[in-house]
Amino acid sequence: QKEVEQNSGPLSVPEGAIASLNCTYSDRGSQSFFWYRQYSGKSPELIMFIYSNGDKEDGRFTAQLNKASQYVSLLIRDSQPSDSATYLCAGFNYGGSQGNLIFGKGTKLSVKP
Amino acid sequence: GAVVSQHPSRVICKSGTSVKIECRSLDFQATTMFWYRQFPKQSLMLMATSNEGSKATYEQGVEKDKFLINHASLTLSTLTVTSAHPEDSSFYICSAKQGGYEQYFGPGTRLTVT
Repeated sequence: QKEVEQNSGPLSVPEGAIASLNCTYSDRGSQSFFWYRQYSGKSPELIMFIYSNGDKEDGRFTAQLNKASQYVSLLIRDSQPSDSATYLCAGFNYGGSQGNLIFGKGTKLSVKP
Repeated sequence: GAVVSQHPSRVICKSGTSVKIECRSLDFQATTMFWYRQFPKQSLMLMATSNEGSKATYEQGVEKDKFLINHASLTLSTLTVTSAHPEDSSFYICSAKQGGYEQYFGPGTRLTVT
């Protein structure tokens, strides 16, 4: 069973702090990982993806991947109240011909003003 | 770019009726489209995967005769919930990809069956 695990939270951080969201995966064959943000009642929107070990930065967001530890994280610097949402981690599954994303259950982030 | 639309955004129907939801890729050709369902405070659950011109591949536990998927063109997939019941009330989200890894999500359709 290929799984992606996330702490459901809620994770609460003060405005301006760094929010750290974590994700582990069971399938060593997963090669790419995606972070999506989902506001309540809305569909997910892609924040960034990573497929190489190490860090990948995009504005206030940094994704980190450690394939040896099967661990992915997302850091949000200078957190804003507008960052309050559920963050979904997804691994790319090569099973079958379509290549499906396997989603974690999401971590709810709350940024307090 | 990479915009996916869904129609309708909300629908209320009576138990026993059928509802069709459309998913369109507006500015790219989607080789594969996915249909997800999300119950309140739950994660996305993949229902089925469809390639243009082929039969959809359904996930375990999803009734193919109840959730009919048609992917007639590279920009349109439809999900029909047949003989809907209150337990089918959920947020239905489609996504599409052109190739590669990224999936682009539609805005979702909230179905309420009374």
